[in-house]
Order: sequence, then C-alpha cells, then structure tokens
Amino acid sequence: QVQLQESGPGLVKPSGTLSLTCAVSGGSISSTNWWSWVRQPPGKGLEWIGEIYHSGNTNYNSSLKSRVTISVDKSKNQFSLKLSSVTAADTAVYYCARVGNAFDIWGQGTMVTVSS
Amino acid sequence: AIQLTQSPSSLSASVGDRVTITCRASQGISSALAWYQQKPGKAPNLLIYDAVSLGSGVPSRFSGSGSGTDFTLAISSLQPEDFATYYCQQFNSYPLTFGPGTKVDIK
Repeated sequence: QVQLQESGPGLVKPSGTLSLTCAVSGGSISSTNWWSWVRQPPGKGLEWIGEIYHSGNTNYNSSLKSRVTISVDKSKNQFSLKLSSVTAADTAVYYCARVGNAFDIWGQGTMVTVSS
Repeated sequence: AIQLTQSPSSLSASVGDRVTITCRASQGISSALAWYQQKPGKAPNLLIYDAVSLGSGVPSRFSGSGSGTDFTLAISSLQPEDFATYYCQQFNSYPLTFGPGTKVDIK
C-alpha cells in the first residue's frame, strides 16, 4: 500500500522560498505514475501546482510556473516542491498526490504559513 | 485554462436522500473527469475517475455520469459519513483544474 508523507517548515518568511518534500513508502517513485503537488488555502478550494515523472519531466500550473520547481530524488524515493518569492497568498495546506487513476493516493497535507 | 463550475455550491439533505451534484466544463473534456470527497482537516479522497469509474474501496451508492462538458455525481442514499465537500477535477488538459466545491450538510 503506497503512502505519501509531506514534510517541511510550517512557517516561511515573505519573499522567501517554501520547500517541501513528499516521501513515498510502500512503492517505488520510479513506477509508471506521475507525482503531483496540490494546495488549499484556508477555507478555500484546491489548486494544482504541478507534477513530475521519475525521469524528471515536469508540468507546472502556468499561474505559478515562474516560481515553482518540482524535483525527484529516486535514491530517497521522494519528490520535492520549491516555491520562491512567497507572499501571504501562498499560505495553504500543501498536499502531495500520486497520479494513477486520477489523484488516487494523497498525503495527509502540511500547513505552510507565510508570515514575518 | 479549462474552468469547472459546480452546482449547487451547497445543499442540505437528510440521511437516505438521493443527492446529485453537477460539474460543467468551459470546453469539452471527453471523460477526463474525477470526483473527490473531502472532510474537514483531511485530504481529498478519490470517488470517481474517468467520469464513471468507481475508485478503489468506494461504496456503490456513489456513481458518476456524463461526458463532454456536463457531468454528474450521484449519491443514491446519503449516509451520515457522506456529509462533506465534493470537488470535480478535469484531466483533459493542462493546467489541471478543480471545481470550486459543493458542500453537503445535514438538513
């Protein structure tokens, strides 16, 4: 049973870089799946950030593309998100998810607050 | 980007009721649509993929229909654990987008 677990700082200063990691357990990140990041501001809906394949191929949401980098570390069976130049609008719960039949497996989510 | 609208935005229903939620896409997306259930403080849970296919472990009271631009999620007999927010998502083209959600609460 594949499981995902997000980790990273819960507080990031404005203009800084948000960095999160999603650890994959119970399966290989080198499987035939893409791996995605989704976020949800408090009390609001879901926003797709981007995705990565184990080869390193990526797709990003054009609304965030200039600030987002998603990378994969096959040796650690994990993938990561970096979001630069953050503002209060980037405050959200960040989820990682496996792209199988749609987003079929999700991490529990991690709250990231942007504040000085 | 393909925009998804959901109706209603919220509804109140009783246990045992049949509930339907509609998702409309701004352009045709074939059958590339999924539905998720989200409870407060929890990650979304996949209910339906490819517009009509039931996710793993999802009760059969949930069903999906539609193709092109108009889709429906139906719950045949609402159970206490079904009170939640429901989102549709399109996979037809990038960026992947979600609908704004439909909150189902207790009447």
